[in-house]
Amino acid sequence: GQQLNQSPQSMFIQEGEDVSMNCTSSSIFNTWLWYKQDPGEGPVLLIALYKAGELTSNGRLTAQFGITRKDSFLNISASIPSDVGIYFCAGRKSGGGADGLTFGKGTHLIIQP
Amino acid sequence: NAGVTQTPKFQVLKTGQSMTLQCAQDMNHNSMYWYRQDPGMGLRLIYYSASEGTTDKGEVPNGYNVSRLNKREFSLRLESAAPSQTSVYFCASSWDSLNTEAFFGQGTRLTVV
Repeated sequence: GQQLNQSPQSMFIQEGEDVSMNCTSSSIFNTWLWYKQDPGEGPVLLIALYKAGELTSNGRLTAQFGITRKDSFLNISASIPSDVGIYFCAGRKSGGGADGLTFGKGTHLIIQP
Repeated sequence: NAGVTQTPKFQVLKTGQSMTLQCAQDMNHNSMYWYRQDPGMGLRLIYYSASEGTTDKGEVPNGYNVSRLNKREFSLRLESAAPSQTSVYFCASSWDSLNTEAFFGQGTRLTVV
């Protein structure tokens, strides 16, 4: 079953604010991925992380692979209306088999005018 | 670049009917996956194919079968649809099954009445 705890479940913010969300697990992961899903679309990859401690940016997005390898964080700076959507963390477990990604349940980002 | 293509986009079935969801990728990826997405549950793995010629069960395989027809195509079959299979289905692919990011199709929204 689901082994990733993603928080918060939803966020209501004002345009221009910074956003932070995170994923934690009791298992060690060797890959962390962050996806964004718009309504009616499939998840789109935002950032991929492969090494503990790695900090990677993609425009206004920054994600980090936690040192313990059990967590990851995503920050969005100066949010804009098109940032609205659901953000998913996903990871591949260390020593796991070829069975794809484990997903968090998502963080619903809502930007208030 | 088409990426991962799923058909159909929408489908309504009566309980007991069968159907096959099609997925094709043009990225020469070795691994392919089928997920279902339900409200509050995130994405859950149904079946995966680590490489051409192999398929394995994921987290929620009951009621489904898959076929890895060739390297490009991975189909999901519902032999006797049930209302509990009402969901959004996503196909994904990745270069390999161990440590690389997965790319998703746009999804198939299935309703079983």
